Amino acid sequence: QKEVEQDPGPLSVPEGAIVSLNCTYSNSAFQYFMWYRQYSRKGPELLMYTYSSGNKEDGRFTAQVDKSSKYISLFIRDSQPSDSATYLCATLLMNTGFQKLVFGTGTRLLVSP
Amino acid sequence: GAGVSQSPRYKVAKRGQDVALRCDPISGHVSLFWYQQALGQGPEFLTYFQNEAQLDKSGLPSDRFFAERPEGSVSTLKIQRTQQEDSAVYLCASSFLGYTGELFFGEGSRLTVL
Repeated sequence: QKEVEQDPGPLSVPEGAIVSLNCTYSNSAFQYFMWYRQYSRKGPELLMYTYSSGNKEDGRFTAQVDKSSKYISLFIRDSQPSDSATYLCATLLMNTGFQKLVFGTGTRLLVSP
Repeated sequence: GAGVSQSPRYKVAKRGQDVALRCDPISGHVSLFWYQQALGQGPEFLTYFQNEAQLDKSGLPSDRFFAERPEGSVSTLKIQRTQQEDSAVYLCASSFLGYTGELFFGEGSRLTVL
């Protein structure tokens, strides 16, 4: 079992739709969770960062962590074609002494005009 | 430049050749990481440097993989006697020494082994 599981998609939605992207993780000790966005042939870039449970909002993006079910979500409101990318969830292993990230496989999102 | 710079962007190698991939991190970033991203997969950790010290190389797939950062800035990932399964995008990332999970990635070096 991978430490972070993610549906690879692709997920196709029309412009303006609300998008829900999800991950599950296996280790209840994980506390830090990130969403990275990766455009085609580019490196990942940090989109959202959350610690422990709860919600965090940044513009059209909301990150949610439910530690009881080991579930991580990213919601995108009013989706735009420019949101078309692969979204990677990641968690941070804290017992290594450095920022060792474990990534999911990524979900490819396609937003059509 | 302001970002992480990687070269070459694309590399085609014949099986058995040696390759060297370069990473120039953001100036002042203490931490440097190498990740491997296979097609359709998320990045997988290879190795970590804090300044010139390689503190973790647990993700390197075999002893054919070698990384160095001799002066604590530019890093090179070397793959000896390349195999087809080495075909992937090799991502370099850097950050300040911290624990927020924010890594700044380069655009990657895409290696194809024929």
